[in-house]
Amino acid sequence: NAGVMQNPRHLVRRRGQEARLRCSPMKGHSHVYWYRQLPEEGLKFMVYLQKENIIDESGMPKERFSAEFPKEGPSILRIQQVVRGDSAAYFCASSPIQGGQPQHFGDGTRLSIL
Amino acid sequence: EDQVTQSPEALRLQEGESSSLNCSYTVSGLRGLFWYRQDPGKGPEFLFTLYSAGEEKEKERLKATLTKKESFLHITAPKPEDSATYLCAVQPANTGNQFYFGTGTSLTVIP
Repeated sequence: NAGVMQNPRHLVRRRGQEARLRCSPMKGHSHVYWYRQLPEEGLKFMVYLQKENIIDESGMPKERFSAEFPKEGPSILRIQQVVRGDSAAYFCASSPIQGGQPQHFGDGTRLSIL
Repeated sequence: EDQVTQSPEALRLQEGESSSLNCSYTVSGLRGLFWYRQDPGKGPEFLFTLYSAGEEKEKERLKATLTKKESFLHITAPKPEDSATYLCAVQPANTGNQFYFGTGTSLTVIP
């Protein structure tokens, strides 16, 4: 499968724990994007990364959230000290170049906070 | 402020009953408008990209059109397997690479 791969598909955490969401982009894609989808709301942009660089994190909360895309391995979205409001579906997308090209999405990670 | 509004929120059609979905947008310069299909529990699946007013794209029973203020997704003679949520997204020309998504139209096609 050459598509965007996200894992885990479902993640359950208790309040105060850490959540780590992983994303492997499509082969040949070097641009990665993270979006959050809440029930009854549209997909909201969080962060845009290239290898080893955060290009735009304007949509990401300033505290508890961080993202990385290391030289080797998948992109990671990390949420520290999770709260109930973090419950959502988190989607990763990738594109081959920047600007004007479709972003291809994975099937998401459903995060539930107990 | 960049904004995307989709209507209707939900649409029920009989099999074979053609209709259109609307996506209105407000952006300060459009780099591209994108249509996606999303099935329950899945990620958005790319359908079309439109770049300039007057452009049209077709794929099977779907046809997307673009004006300076809105886009339409026309569904001709739909089948039950066309049931899904259809999402519209815009990429403004001056705000990096992020997409702004509408909340989608949930389409149900009844056999």
